[in-house]
Amino acid sequence: SYVLTQPPSVSVAPGKTARITCGGNDNGRKSVHWYQQRPGQAPVLVISYDNDRPSGIPERFSGSKSGNTATLTISRVEAGDEADYYCQVWDSATDHRVFGGGTKLTVL
Amino acid sequence: EVQLVESGGNLVQPGGFLRLSCAASGFTFSSYWMHWVRQAPGKGLVWVSRINSDGTNTANADSVKGRFTISRDNAKNTVFLQMNTLRPEDTAVYYCARSQAGGTYYFDSWGQGTLVTVSS
Repeated sequence: SYVLTQPPSVSVAPGKTARITCGGNDNGRKSVHWYQQRPGQAPVLVISYDNDRPSGIPERFSGSKSGNTATLTISRVEAGDEADYYCQVWDSATDHRVFGGGTKLTVL
Repeated sequence: EVQLVESGGNLVQPGGFLRLSCAASGFTFSSYWMHWVRQAPGKGLVWVSRINSDGTNTANADSVKGRFTISRDNAKNTVFLQMNTLRPEDTAVYYCARSQAGGTYYFDSWGQGTLVTVSS
């Protein structure tokens, strides 16, 4: 089965830039989506198709991909950005949706 | 406004069964694929099952294959998850989520989840 690898945690000071990576051996050929999940809440889509930002999501959130590594970048980090972030792809070989293990973003 | 409301979560003994429901409103239910995603306490998101728009095609994670069945009633705007032969490792919050038809689409709306606890 397809595996997505994320760092368990990322810490950043307020006002700085956070980068969360998502690795997969074929990510270069897949569309990567990103979700934010605050404690006790349902996930919310923050980036779709590698780098599209849904309406209502601040411009501080952006996505990119280089080779098989996708990156979620959060600029000018705020305390309210503290949450778990998950990447997700569709594995066409199995017709399964796959999530990364999640990254806990801590705002220092 | 899009709304997804899950129900049916409960405490159940190992080997038991449970049926979850997810009532949808605020959109044309029959045009969307529906999914179940679960999250064990303190753990990450795990995709469980999906069903296509008219209910004729489903897919399941390997961990639930043969035990869980997803279905839908488009007349009642509801998707179900029949869970049989439950195991302690099935303990989780179960979310329903929608996506547009097709594999590459993302989950654009989620319910608030329903808790399933499998324990003796």
